[in-house]
This record gives sequence, structure tokens and C-alpha cells, in this order.
Amino acid sequence: EAGVAQSPRYKIIEKRQSVAFWCNPISGHATLYWYQQILGQGPKLLIQFQNNGVVDDSQLPKDRFSAERLKGVDSTLKIQPAKLEDSAVYLCASKAGGETQYFGPGTRLLVL
Amino acid sequence: AQSVTQLDSHVSVSEGTPVLLRCNYSSSYSPSLFWYVQHPNKGLQLLLKYTSAATLVKGINGFEAEFKKSETSFHLTKPSAHMSDAAEYFCVVSANAGNMLTFGGGTRLMVKP
Repeated sequence: EAGVAQSPRYKIIEKRQSVAFWCNPISGHATLYWYQQILGQGPKLLIQFQNNGVVDDSQLPKDRFSAERLKGVDSTLKIQPAKLEDSAVYLCASKAGGETQYFGPGTRLLVL
Repeated sequence: AQSVTQLDSHVSVSEGTPVLLRCNYSSSYSPSLFWYVQHPNKGLQLLLKYTSAATLVKGINGFEAEFKKSETSFHLTKPSAHMSDAAEYFCVVSANAGNMLTFGGGTRLMVKP
């Protein structure tokens, strides 16, 4: 069974630029999550999707972050414009009916 | 509300000696608890999970954890450390209908030869 796929793996941009990350969850997993992991900290949930609907986006900085899962499968997370403090690893996870979330390898973002 | 505290940010052991990574949690509900491991430049991998069945949970690679409700703890142990165990370990709690995970700050395990 293929795992959660994310791309790109690494991205370097300058502040005020835009960036987008892509996630393809495990086939059949209805729930998809985006997390932000700042260096030296545990991951923090940004947004949770159930199929193509948003379940929880209370921690998403909506003035600059957006996410979509239009067809209920893959998802994109966008930052526009980026700030220095957005430098982090962005993790995507997916879940079927149980409790266990399966994580992708992450996208490491550096904002200069 | 839920929270997780990992009591040690760094733990260093010698190869072949026991490992203890400490975790305390706070939850308003009956929690599910997890330990995840993160190797450098790799994704998070589930080591084990507790979901209100047996309080002693066995995971992969010889790790186990014991849920102690009275102490609100879920410490991770392994009898004998291996060099390949060197990684970052996260204790995680999930205690609501949406299964939102709350991560601890992580413990970096170093294994000396």
C-alpha cells in the first residue's frame, strides 16, 4: 500500500512570495490533515478535511494560508505572502475510519 | 482541552541499556494516546497506541508503553537500545470526536556506542 505522498520535499523562497504544497493521501482515506512543525517543536494542526469539507481550521492563519481538497482526494496548502516565521516542515496526514493517522515525509520550507 | 508534556527534551543512553521516555498528559475525556517516532528527514511513524484496552501496549521495534490513569502518564520504554533507535519521539493525545491530535514537544533520543 502506497503511503502519503507530498511534494515538493524542499522549498526555499523569499518573504512575501507565494508557495504551494501538494499532498496525496493513502487511497480511500477520507480524512486529511495539514500540520506545521516548527524546528524543535511538535507538529501543530492547521486544518482537517473530511472528504472535501473542512472539519477544523481554527488554527489556520487565514489571512495568509489557504487549503483546499476539491475532489476529496489530494489537497493543496498555499501560503501567500510568506513570512519568515512560516519556515517549518509542513506535514500531511490521512486517516481511514480508525484513529491512526499516517504521515507523509513532509515539505521543508525555508523563507529568507 | 488536552495537552501533553514530554518531561525530557533530550535523553542519552548507551547501546544495549534501557530506554525511558517520559510523557504526562491532560485530557477532559478518556484519551487515546500514541507514540510516534521521527527519523531525520523522514515522516512520522506510529510506534504504538493506547485506545482503552490493555494498559500495557506493545509496539514495533521492541518498544512498549504503560497507560497509568492515576498518574496521567504514558511513558515509553525499551529494554535494550539500538543505534537505529536514535531519533525524535513524540507523545500524542487524542481526546475528542474529531480525533484531533495534540503533540508533545518531543524527546530527542541519542544512543552512544
